[in-house]
This record gives sequence, C-alpha cells and structure tokens, in this order.
Amino acid sequence: DAKTTQPPSMDCAEGRAANLPCNHSTISGNEYVYWYRQIHSQGPQYIIHGLKNNETNEMASLIITEDRKSSTLILPHATLRDTAVYYCIVISRGSARQLTFGSGTQLTVLP
Amino acid sequence: GAVVSQHPSWVICKSGTSVKIECRSLDFQATTMFWYRQFPKQSLMLMATSNEGSKATYEQGVEKDKFLINHASLTLSTLTVTSAHPEDSSFYICSAKAVDGANYGYTFGSGTRLTVV
Repeated sequence: DAKTTQPPSMDCAEGRAANLPCNHSTISGNEYVYWYRQIHSQGPQYIIHGLKNNETNEMASLIITEDRKSSTLILPHATLRDTAVYYCIVISRGSARQLTFGSGTQLTVLP
Repeated sequence: GAVVSQHPSWVICKSGTSVKIECRSLDFQATTMFWYRQFPKQSLMLMATSNEGSKATYEQGVEKDKFLINHASLTLSTLTVTSAHPEDSSFYICSAKAVDGANYGYTFGSGTRLTVV
C-alpha cells in the first residue's frame, strides 16, 4: 500500500474550515484514499473515502488532485468536537489487508 | 452504517491474570477482524488479523501464546491477554470489514483500556 505523509499538527479556529493535507505520491491506480479520525481514547471513526473524484458527505469533503498524488480533507465548519488525530490511509478497496496507520495530523480546533 | 461493538471499554486486572476482550459486528458479517494496540501518544499498531474459522495471523513481535485470538463466528472475535503484566497496559482496538464489500470501509470498535496493576 502507498505510504502517506501528513503534517503532525494543525490548528483551526472554531467555525472556520479546516483543510488537512495528505501526500500519497506513490499511490497506484486501484488504491483508494481513506480518512479516519480518532478522538482521544476512542476508536477511529470513518470519515470519507475516494478514488479519483472529489467526494462529499455529511461530515466532510475530500478533494483529490488530478494526478492523485495528494488530497485534502475539508471540514467546512470546524467545531471543538472535531479536535482529533486525522489519519489519511491509502489501500486497495478489494484488499483484505488491514489499515496501516501513520502518525496522522493532530487537529486542534480553538475557541 | 456498520457498527462494531467492543467490550469491555475499560478493565483493570491484577498482574498474572487473564483478560478477554470481545469484538462484535452488530449489523454485518465479518470474515476478517483486526486487533490493534495503541500506547499513549502513539499511533495504532496492528497486532493480528483474525480470520473466521481459522488461526489468526500475528504481526512480527506479537506473542501468539500471550494474545489468544478466537474468531468462532462471522460476528465475533475475542482477544485474550493471558498472564497479563503491567507492560501489557494499553488501549486495544478491534476493527472489521464487511463480508459483502459494502461501502462501509473498515469499522472500528470503541476500544478497551487495559490497566494491569
């Protein structure tokens, strides 16, 4: 599976959009980009995933560059409850393999 | 959406005793479940892959005789920490992927905080 690179930490003001970048320059054609987040002392929570098109759901938007080498997770109106570690993971959709977690980005939403 | 229930959410046990953690997929079937361990301020590290009806596959460095995994049905996997020691104190998390490849991705349990005293 492709390796991902994320900034270790980011701050965002409450009510503003949080934009979390992820580099995955070695991604292959059949690999999806998944985003999860982990609030302190809880299990990871699925946010969104995509292959090449931009995706949006009730939680967030995922913007994938045309060359698929990077993506951005957007939380449109961050709240204090969005403070968490955000993980960007690349994996083949049909794979039975586990998710491999990097160090993620600690997002802190400030009041 | 898919829900994975993990129980207990926290447990304190004495050194030398065994602790069982359950992981259940509530509304889908999972032939494969994964067990992770997370130490403070660290990321999740895969311990083992649990396969329904067969032996678990352990990651390098994880003692299979100490961390017993049973996946007897399509909805239940258990992790037993045998002869627990203080260094086994950690946050244990399970995850599962739906059998039918539904758009659930990987779903995680809420985790179990194990403290060995």
